[in-house]
Amino acid sequence: DTAVSQTPKYLVTQMGNDKSIKCEQNLGHDTMYWYKQDSKKFLKIMFSYNNKELIINETVPNRFSPKSPDKAHLNLHINSLELGDSAVYFCASSQMQGSYTFGSGTRLTVV
Amino acid sequence: ILNVEQSPQSLHVQEGDSTNFTCSFPSSNFYALHWYRWETAKSPEALFVMTLNGDEKKKGRISATLNTKEGYSYLYIKGSQPEDSATYLCAPRGGGGADGLTFGKGTHLIIQP
Repeated sequence: DTAVSQTPKYLVTQMGNDKSIKCEQNLGHDTMYWYKQDSKKFLKIMFSYNNKELIINETVPNRFSPKSPDKAHLNLHINSLELGDSAVYFCASSQMQGSYTFGSGTRLTVV
Repeated sequence: ILNVEQSPQSLHVQEGDSTNFTCSFPSSNFYALHWYRWETAKSPEALFVMTLNGDEKKKGRISATLNTKEGYSYLYIKGSQPEDSATYLCAPRGGGGADGLTFGKGTHLIIQP
């Protein structure tokens, strides 16, 4: 039973399209996150969200937006995709300030 | 968001040898220090969350120490095995707020048979 699941695992799309990546956690955690693994393989925080607060990394373009229908889900919506958005995106969750559980990642390729 | 430095950037170790590497972070506004293990083509897995100065945690052959006054943590691996090959990430956390962890660039460890 996967603790943090992301779909799809792979996503290939054309420039200019709008796409979403879904994330669900069944751990009962109160906070969820989106990270981007950049071209140098570094993990960079994009968003953190709990039911009280959304914190956005100021370097994230406003074409990226998190959507949380409920506590167990934090989806990532991307408008007007650009070539530079190609990366692996990881969802994660944690309870309070405990350790993070990561999803398996979504490899986005923009062509 | 706390700045974090990890060294060395990469490390080659013979199987059976022990090794260690460093995570440095600002000592002010410290709340916790996280260590993660990240194998290629997988997702990061939590190793330790440490909060107290002088804290030492152990998981099998891997252990970590924490010095919050001077702002560093060491990760030790005893008797390295090929399956220890991974990138080891650390992330300090400041007090307050729900902003996500800022990870270091990691130490890429390769165990040579």
